[in-house]
Amino acid sequence: KAGVTQTPRYLIKTRGQQVTLSCSPISGHRSVSWYQQTPGQGLQFLFEYFSETQRNKGNFPGRFSGRQFSNSRSEMNVSTLELGDSALYLCASSQGTNQPQHFGDGTRLSIL
Amino acid sequence: QKEVEQNSGPLSVPEGAIASLNCTYSDRGSQSFFWYRQYSGKSPELIMFIYSNGDKEDGRFTAQLNKASQYVSLLIRDSQPSDSATYLCAVNNLGTNAGKSTFGDGTTLTVKP
Repeated sequence: KAGVTQTPRYLIKTRGQQVTLSCSPISGHRSVSWYQQTPGQGLQFLFEYFSETQRNKGNFPGRFSGRQFSNSRSEMNVSTLELGDSALYLCASSQGTNQPQHFGDGTRLSIL
Repeated sequence: QKEVEQNSGPLSVPEGAIASLNCTYSDRGSQSFFWYRQYSGKSPELIMFIYSNGDKEDGRFTAQLNKASQYVSLLIRDSQPSDSATYLCAVNNLGTNAGKSTFGDGTTLTVKP
């Protein structure tokens, strides 16, 4: 069974631009969560989608948004990029609420 | 107070010893608990999950949960150098935060040959 696939793996952007990250969950998994990981803040929850509905959102500004499609694939968008948005963005999928999550390899975003 | 706290590292143990990693959480309604291992430069991988009080064993790993004390731990027996990594504790609350996992900051373990 294929794991969680995130694209792209690496991305370099400049301040003010926007970016879209993609996540394909494990087949059969309907829940997709997004996290931001930085050395100073650890793993921070961004949002979670289940059957195309956002069920929960972390404490991030509105510049961070996401969506989930009917095939469970998910995208995350960050607009008006800031230097502080440089981080590893991780996507994780699970079969549902309370189930273990499986992480993708992440997208490393660098803002110049 | 952080929602999920892990014992500050780094933790260093000799090869073959037992490594003990601890995690406390503040939300009494938490219902599921997970341990992930993250090697440097890699993404987290699931090691164990536990839902009920008591012990759960899987090979060299044992997860222990005490909901009354709001405490979950991970024991690694016969530690190997390949166990050297950062271990993350994660907690879910079905009721108020369905779909949200809260992670601790992690404990870095070094197993010395």
